Amino acid sequence: DIQMTQSPSSLSASVGDTVTITCRASQSISSYLNWYQQKPGKAPNLLIYAASSLQSGVPSRFSGSGSGTDFTLTITSLQPEDFATYYCQQSYTIPRTFGQGTKVEIK
Amino acid sequence: QVTLKESGPVLVKPTETLTLTCTVSGFSLSNARMGVSWIRQPSGKALEWLAHIFSNDEKSYNTSLKSRLTISKDTSKSQVVLTMTNMDPVDTATYFCARSLSGTYYAFDSWGQGTLVTVSS
Repeated sequence: DIQMTQSPSSLSASVGDTVTITCRASQSISSYLNWYQQKPGKAPNLLIYAASSLQSGVPSRFSGSGSGTDFTLTITSLQPEDFATYYCQQSYTIPRTFGQGTKVEIK
Repeated sequence: QVTLKESGPVLVKPTETLTLTCTVSGFSLSNARMGVSWIRQPSGKALEWLAHIFSNDEKSYNTSLKSRLTISKDTSKSQVVLTMTNMDPVDTATYFCARSLSGTYYAFDSWGQGTLVTVSS
């Protein structure tokens, strides 16, 4: 199975900050990397697919980059509604696997 | 509008078999190049992918849970069913179903609200 490792596990930031979350795959997954946002008690919401493609309806302050094994989610000008947990997930192969999550908290 | 909704028991006893149903609308389970997965999440923990069924009825499973899981679909009823045998308290979690499409690199673009399953005697 492909292991997905996110860092950091949590971070504190202020409204207006730029935040970067990284995700590393245990082997190459080309660009089959997706990012989700999850708020407490809710289902995850797809933000980015194919490493850098913005899902319809997602604000442009969210962006993704990377290929192969190393990927990044960047949130520019953090908004109050962005405080949540973020997960990466590979869809390159079966079984699908998720990272352990990164919780973005208010400083 | 695409929707998915999970249903099933709220409480199951240890060793029992869990059966969950995902009822979808706004798309057909026979649409080419799409599929539906089951994913679970224990309270406060990460997401764990369980199983997937493609539109061509190809099925795949979590490596460590494979022996306990069965996924199937009834296209006429727009339902995907997951069974998990020999339930244990560690299987207590919120269970989600989610759709994936080839057009979005098989990311999970639509999710159900989730259903909380507690395993306890």
